[in-house]
Amino acid sequence: DVKVTQSSRYLVKRTGEKVFLECVQDMDHENMFWYRQDPGLGLRLIYFSYDVKMKEKGDIPEGYSVSREKKERFSLILESASTNQTSMYLCASSLRGLLTYEQYFGPGTRLTVT
Amino acid sequence: GQQLNQSPQSMFIQEGEDVSMNCTSSSIFNTWLWYKQDPGEGPVLLIALYKAGELTSNGRLTAQFGITRKDSFLNISASIPSDVGIYFCAGQLNSGGSNYKLTFGKGTLLTVNP
Repeated sequence: DVKVTQSSRYLVKRTGEKVFLECVQDMDHENMFWYRQDPGLGLRLIYFSYDVKMKEKGDIPEGYSVSREKKERFSLILESASTNQTSMYLCASSLRGLLTYEQYFGPGTRLTVT
Repeated sequence: GQQLNQSPQSMFIQEGEDVSMNCTSSSIFNTWLWYKQDPGEGPVLLIALYKAGELTSNGRLTAQFGITRKDSFLNISASIPSDVGIYFCAGQLNSGGSNYKLTFGKGTLLTVNP
């Protein structure tokens, strides 16, 4: 089974803090994704990475950056957290090739910024 | 961005009943996927569909890729209490754009009364 793990299930940070969300997958997937999920808005793609050190902006990249130094690990960084970044953050991964659309999700990190 | 119209938004049914939900779009999709999300958890992939007209089952779940490629249906037979959760459809657009990105519906909240 594919396993995607996220470093924290719940996180509370203060406005202006730098926040790191970590995601690790153990299935040698090339692609990794960060989404945020908000009531009424569904899942929105923040960034994705298709290889080590490679990244592409998703639909809502503003206020976020990412880092992928190793194939299995994809980090989401909030440089200066703001209250409107309070949300559920979901990491996902997928293979390259024919099964590239089958994304497997981690359990999520519920971030609260106060 | 492109949105999928998922309906119904919510359903409240009795245990043992069959359930049907669907997603529609004004655009053609190459791939349809169905996910289930339990409260406080990440989405879990249930079924992936790759060809127009394709009908695929996973236990009591059956999903179909619409022949027009603009819709997909998910049916759950003989519902049980653990079917409770939010069901999402997702698709990959035939837009010639990024091959990694999925478009998500906003979900159907299913409640099963024992």
